[in-house]
Amino acid sequence: DAGITQSPRHKVTETGTPVTLRCHQTENHRYMYWYRQDPGHGLRLIHYSYGVKDTDKGEVSDGYSVSRSKTEDFLLTLESATSSQTSVYFCAIGYTGGTSEVPGNTIYFGEGSWLTVV
Amino acid sequence: GQNIDQPTEMTATEGAIVQINCTYQTSGFNGLFWYQQHAGEAPTFLSYNVLDGLEEKGRFSSFLSRSKGYSYLLLKELQMKDSASYLCAVRDAKGGGNKLTFGTGTQLKVEL
Repeated sequence: DAGITQSPRHKVTETGTPVTLRCHQTENHRYMYWYRQDPGHGLRLIHYSYGVKDTDKGEVSDGYSVSRSKTEDFLLTLESATSSQTSVYFCAIGYTGGTSEVPGNTIYFGEGSWLTVV
Repeated sequence: GQNIDQPTEMTATEGAIVQINCTYQTSGFNGLFWYQQHAGEAPTFLSYNVLDGLEEKGRFSSFLSRSKGYSYLLLKELQMKDSASYLCAVRDAKGGGNKLTFGTGTQLKVEL
């Protein structure tokens, strides 16, 4: 358990409305990520963060913005939701500790947020 | 950029051995990861390879050949609970950020 909590876990929203998904971690890890997962595409990186107020785009960042004002929280905002953004969204952290079997910054995922845009 | 290929589906029998292959092309390589994902759940970390060779963890083993851009995940003594999607992912050595690029996953079905 990497101490990751996503909220909301399920949401239905209307096209054109803004939506914010929250990721909260309790263990002070530096790296945080937002992925989306869709059939036929697998997991794709939307945005990531390497520290407070330090964020960068992933491969599918259009239509999304992020903010990280505190180490423990990473917010993903859909500025104006579209049906193509219906997906499962996974937050992840890069686990700071490492061992001989598990390398440092191994990525661990939260439980996911199911978003439907109608 | 990165390109990762793995088979879409595989079926195997309980108690048998199955090998899931993954090939990749990358501009920078800093490790290959395997994750397991049960339906409706989050991916969970299984194994990691950064050097050539075989890493064994109980019933699961993972192999890497960097020169060939090839990895496989070997599952022994298959159990019904091993029915899941197996995701191959490559860590990018360039640009920082500790980013992983994932393949689309191999859906493994274990049958009696």
